[in-house]
Amino acid sequence: EIVLTQSPGTLSLSPGERATLSCRASQSVRNNYLAWYQQRPGQAPRLLMYGASTRAIGVPDRFSGSGSGTAFTLTISRLEPEDFGVYYCQQYGDSLCSFGQGTKVEIK
Amino acid sequence: EVQLVQSGAEVKKPGESLTISCTGSGYVFSSYWITWVRQMPGKGLEWMGRIYPVDSYTNYSPSSQGLVTISSDKSVNTAYLHWNSLQASDTAVYYCARHGVRGNQNDAFDLWGQGTSVTVSS
Repeated sequence: EIVLTQSPGTLSLSPGERATLSCRASQSVRNNYLAWYQQRPGQAPRLLMYGASTRAIGVPDRFSGSGSGTAFTLTISRLEPEDFGVYYCQQYGDSLCSFGQGTKVEIK
Repeated sequence: EVQLVQSGAEVKKPGESLTISCTGSGYVFSSYWITWVRQMPGKGLEWMGRIYPVDSYTNYSPSSQGLVTISSDKSVNTAYLHWNSLQASDTAVYYCARHGVRGNQNDAFDLWGQGTSVTVSS
C-alpha cells in the first residue's frame, strides 16, 4: 500500500496570501494518478485536482497542482475566505487507493 | 441533477447489524465504480473499498476486508455498505463517491454523497 505524507499539518495564512501544500508518496505513483480534495467543516470532500495537475470542473484557476513520481504540490495563489478548510491528497494508481492525513489551512 | 444521495444517520448498539445506502441519479449509475470512504470523528479520510455496479466486482482495503460488505443493485441505482456486527470503533461518517473522471477502477472521485453518520454506543 502506498503511504502518502502531507506537510505541513497546519498552515496559518491570511486571505490573499499564497498557500503551498506538499504530498509525498512512499513509492512512485503510477501515471501520476494523484488527486487533491478540499473539505470544509461539516461538508463532503470536493475534488479539486486529478492527474496531479488537471483542475476539476468548476475549480478556480488560483488552484494549481504539480509534481510527479513521489512528490506533489498543491498551490493556492491567493487565498480566498472560502478556501479555508482541510486538503487531502489521494493516489489512485495502485489497486488499493490511499489518502494523505490532510493539511488544515486556517485563517491567521 | 447529477447526485449521490445517502441514507440517514444511524444510532446502533454494539453487535447490531446495519446497512447504509447510496443512490445515484442524473447519470448512468452502472457505468461508474462507487467507492466508500470512512471518516472517524476529527480524523482524515480512509478508503474502504469499491464496487462496479455492472457486475458487483469489489475491492476492499486490508483494514476493511472481512469487516464490511459492499454490494449494489443496479436496478435501483444503489450501492450499499453492510456490517454484520457493529463495534464502537465503527462510529464515523461514511461517504460514497463516484469514480467519475474516467469511469475506471483507478480514478479520482468527482461526485460525493452527503455522508451518513453512524454512531455505535451501548
